[in-house]
Order: sequence, then C-alpha cells, then structure tokens
Amino acid sequence: GAVVSQHPSWVICKSGTSVKIECRSLDFQATTMFWYRQFPKQSLMLMATSNEGSKATYEQGVEKDKFLINHASLTLSTLTVTSAHPEDSSFYICSARPGPDNYGYTFGSGTRLTVV
Amino acid sequence: QKEVEQDPGPLSVPEGAIVSLNCTYSNSAFQYFMWYRQYSRKGPELLMYTYSSGNKEDGRFTAQVDKSSKYISLFIRDSQPSDSATYLCAMSSGGYQKVTFGTGTKLQVIP
Repeated sequence: GAVVSQHPSWVICKSGTSVKIECRSLDFQATTMFWYRQFPKQSLMLMATSNEGSKATYEQGVEKDKFLINHASLTLSTLTVTSAHPEDSSFYICSARPGPDNYGYTFGSGTRLTVV
Repeated sequence: QKEVEQDPGPLSVPEGAIVSLNCTYSNSAFQYFMWYRQYSRKGPELLMYTYSSGNKEDGRFTAQVDKSSKYISLFIRDSQPSDSATYLCAMSSGGYQKVTFGTGTKLQVIP
C-alpha cells in the first residue's frame, strides 16, 4: 500500500530554535500534502495544504510565518516550526492521497515535538 | 454545530463482541467516507474508505454509508484486544479538498 514516511518521530528543542519535519511519499507522487496538528485526546486539526511547486494554503488562525511549509518535489514536503515556543509542543502529522482515483488518504507516523 | 459528530466514548466491549461505531454529518457535499484507527502516539491508519452510499466489507470490518440520513457506521466483528484504539471517521467532498475528521471514539476490547 501507499506509504508516507515522516521524520523525525520525536524531537525536543529549546525555545526559540527551529525544527524541520519531513514527509516523503515512498511509492507514489504526492502533488498535495496535508499537515495536521493533534493535541492530546483531541482530533486532528488541519493546519495547511501544500501543493508541489506552489505556496501552501493555511487554515484560518495558523501563522504562516511560524509554520513554514515547502513542497519542492512530488515526493517531499517539509514543515518548519520557526522560533518554537512551549505552546507549539504537539503531535504533527502529514497526509496525502495516493492517487487521483484513490481517496484513502495515507498518513505519516507523526512527529511529537516538545519545546522546552 | 460541528460538520462531523462522533461519540468520543470510551466504549468497552468484551473480546469477540461486535462493535458498532458511528458518525453523523451535516455537509451534503461529502462524497467520500473514511475510517481510521489510531493507536496512542501514532499516525492514523486507514481501515477503509467508501464512495457515496452503500456497504463495503474488508475482513472483520464493514463500513456503511447512508447519505439520506447523513450517517455512517463501522462494524467490527469478532473484536480483539488488539483492536483497542481510537477510531476516527473522516469525510471529503472529493478532488483534493480537505478531509474533515470526527473527534474519534476510544474503543477498549477486554480479554
């Protein structure tokens, strides 16, 4: 089946530093990648939609200058949390559709970010 | 009113029971319906997806969609302790439109 590889699985960083999270589609081309954030015991909250070769579309309330998204190729999308603060600590997950006729969106394994 | 409503549970059942998980929605534009299983600290795992109304079966799992009632269900037969997880319903109107999730139902299957 379609696989999205997400790295790192977990990261601890100091307040004020930046962290990059990578998502790679291993066996399909992901023209669109979705980035979610999930707080404990809550559902997934869509942060932004990235399209290969163009600017990402951010959901209302999400700071585009803080959460930088780059989708430079059909198999790689990255999310950079800039100047991280403790309130940015969360579980970040990416997702993509495996193909034009496949609506079974595939998720990465998630990245647990802790800002200290 | 949320676009997708899902009972958060928790739902506890004995091993071997049939589990019924449900979601209701309000957006009639939704055409694609998905069920995910999520273990703690892991990304959601796709169980199955369906298009429009009808039933779909995959092993011990059966998904049902009733668009007229805006109601979807996931049935798990012969439930196992390894099925203990949070189950998320999700919906999309198609294309590359965003997916809207329910809040998830936490299921515990007791040996």
